[in-house]
Amino acid sequence: DGGITQSPKYLFRKEGQNVTLSCEQNLNHDAMYWYRQDPGQGLRLIYYSQIVNDFQKGDIAEGYSVSREKKESFPLTVTSAQKNPTAFYLCASSIWPEDEQYFGPGTRLTVT
Amino acid sequence: AQSVAQPEDQVNVAEGNPLTVKCTYSVSGNPYLFWYVQYPNRGLQFLLKYITGDNLVKGSYGFEAEFNKSQTSFHLKKPSALVSDSALYFCAVVIPDKLIFGTGTRLQVFP
Repeated sequence: DGGITQSPKYLFRKEGQNVTLSCEQNLNHDAMYWYRQDPGQGLRLIYYSQIVNDFQKGDIAEGYSVSREKKESFPLTVTSAQKNPTAFYLCASSIWPEDEQYFGPGTRLTVT
Repeated sequence: AQSVAQPEDQVNVAEGNPLTVKCTYSVSGNPYLFWYVQYPNRGLQFLLKYITGDNLVKGSYGFEAEFNKSQTSFHLKKPSALVSDSALYFCAVVIPDKLIFGTGTRLQVFP
């Protein structure tokens, strides 16, 4: 899984609570990404960031928020506005957007 | 619309036989194409990429992929499958600033 860490591996929350997923990389990559993976749907892009203090919405940003205060860190907050938050969340980074992405091990979030 | 498709949800192959996992794409301009593999409850691992040059790209673990511009395809291949190749495989294509992924193909290699 390269130099990207995600914590925790498993996360359980009650409905209505916000939860923050951690993503840290030591690869000195400028670009970072958050994906959501559901069975049979592949990976869907939530947010991405090409540089510190800047980020863009992906295809399914509603109910999520991010920050990029440091190059190494790109935390994702799943808010109570996200209707179906239970999923496997993957963080990735790359040197530049058109290059291969390196993925973290993922966080499996279960909301009941 | 720019997209990438993996027409097979699952591919079954006997160990030792050649394998092919299919991918087709629809993008404007010259495509940058990738293959990734995912083992259960893990992140994706990069296998290989095509940017330009030779249409046959060699990657990790003995995998290769053939870029075919006229058929807009980028099929993943391996001459002799191993049981340990059983995993979920994703094709991806670059669009400005990001990748779009296919829905994945589960490869099952039987002993």
